[in-house]
Amino acid sequence: AQSVTQLGSHVSVSEGALVLLRCNYSSSVPPYLFWYVQYPNQGLQLLLKYTSAATLVKGINGFEAEFKKSETSFHLTKPSAHMSDAAEYFCAVMNGSNTGKLIFGQGTTLQVKP
Amino acid sequence: DGGITQSPKYLFRKEGQNVTLSCEQNLNHDAMYWYRQDPGQGLRLIYYSQIVNDFQKGDIAEGYSVSREKKESFPLTVTSAQKNPTAFYLCASSIFNRWDQPQHFGDGTRLSIL
Repeated sequence: AQSVTQLGSHVSVSEGALVLLRCNYSSSVPPYLFWYVQYPNQGLQLLLKYTSAATLVKGINGFEAEFKKSETSFHLTKPSAHMSDAAEYFCAVMNGSNTGKLIFGQGTTLQVKP
Repeated sequence: DGGITQSPKYLFRKEGQNVTLSCEQNLNHDAMYWYRQDPGQGLRLIYYSQIVNDFQKGDIAEGYSVSREKKESFPLTVTSAQKNPTAFYLCASSIFNRWDQPQHFGDGTRLSIL
């Protein structure tokens, strides 16, 4: 069965600093992986996705993630944090049973300090 | 623009009352999903539907019911049997059988007990 672990429920960075949000997955089949962002009282917005093409995936708002099969990781990074990046971030893996079920991590809240 | 509309944005339930959350999409997606979000627990799947007039239980279906009479609509009823309904509810949709494609989310309904 697939599962997702996000290391660190809260991450705090200074404005302009590197953002690194960690995601590890388990999957018995090649996974489809997604990162979503959620602002307060809103739905989830897709940041980027990995679907077995390039291992380095670029997304919106300057975010990118690298798929590392050997480490079963899909960490999200951004070179320079902006105040507007403060939000909750979710990593998700697609269930491999052809049901379309997404398995979500617990989420990481990113705080950006001025 | 295509998207998913959830209503109402805020909903209050009295003891013993059933309430229905609306979800409408104009993305022409076959698959639709309901998630429950609680702080620190990520998103948990309540029900999903891959086609009109068919739906399956997710991981936490007890105390909830759904219908799928139209492709565009997937309402969720929170019954009086759900003893802890206070949560943020998110509806999503996706292309059926294209699991490399992301799920699209509405802006959610926040349900509280009076």
